[in-house]
Amino acid sequence: AQSVTQLDSQVPVFEEAPVELRCNYSSSVSVYLFWYVQYPNQGLQLLLKYLSGSTLVKGINGFEAEFNKSQTSFHLRKPSVHISDTAEYFCAVLLRGGYQKVTFGTGTKLQVIP
Amino acid sequence: EAGVAQSPRYKIIEKRQSVAFWCNPISGHATLYWYQQILGQGPKLLIQFQNNGVVDDSQLPKDRFSAERLKGVDSTLKIQPAKLEDSAVYLCASSSTLGNEQYFGPGTRLTVT
Repeated sequence: AQSVTQLDSQVPVFEEAPVELRCNYSSSVSVYLFWYVQYPNQGLQLLLKYLSGSTLVKGINGFEAEFNKSQTSFHLRKPSVHISDTAEYFCAVLLRGGYQKVTFGTGTKLQVIP
Repeated sequence: EAGVAQSPRYKIIEKRQSVAFWCNPISGHATLYWYQQILGQGPKLLIQFQNNGVVDDSQLPKDRFSAERLKGVDSTLKIQPAKLEDSAVYLCASSSTLGNEQYFGPGTRLTVT
């Protein structure tokens, strides 16, 4: 079975500073990887996804993530954060092939400080 | 294109009462998911439908939870009777088919007192 680990439950960062949210996964087979964002009192919105091809994936709102197979990581980055990026971010994994359910990490709360 | 709709947005009930949530997926989406998101945790899949058939309900507490998707469109999730530990946000999502990108509704926040 697959699992997802988001080690940082909260990440405070000053506005316009860079940020990295960490995600590591465990799986014995190839995976698809996702990052979702959840604003207060809202559902989840897909930020970006890795299915195949280039390991550097660009998403919405200036976010990007890099798939590192050897380190089984999919860290999310943004070079300069804005107040509006304050939200909770979830990493998720889906096994390739056949039916499998998406497994979500426990989330990282990004707090952007003015 | 309209998104995934859910109602109600908030619900407060006492333990041992019953409650039902409704979800209307994006038009044409064959796959529908119900997740439970407890405060401080990631969403946990409760049940997944492909059209009106159940694909996975392995994490659904079947002694108190039930769900249906009649006609392969709308879906309802019911809890009967509710327990304190059922307090959570219940998220509905849909995708065009199995394994494709999921689109989430705003969720229903349930508080059991």
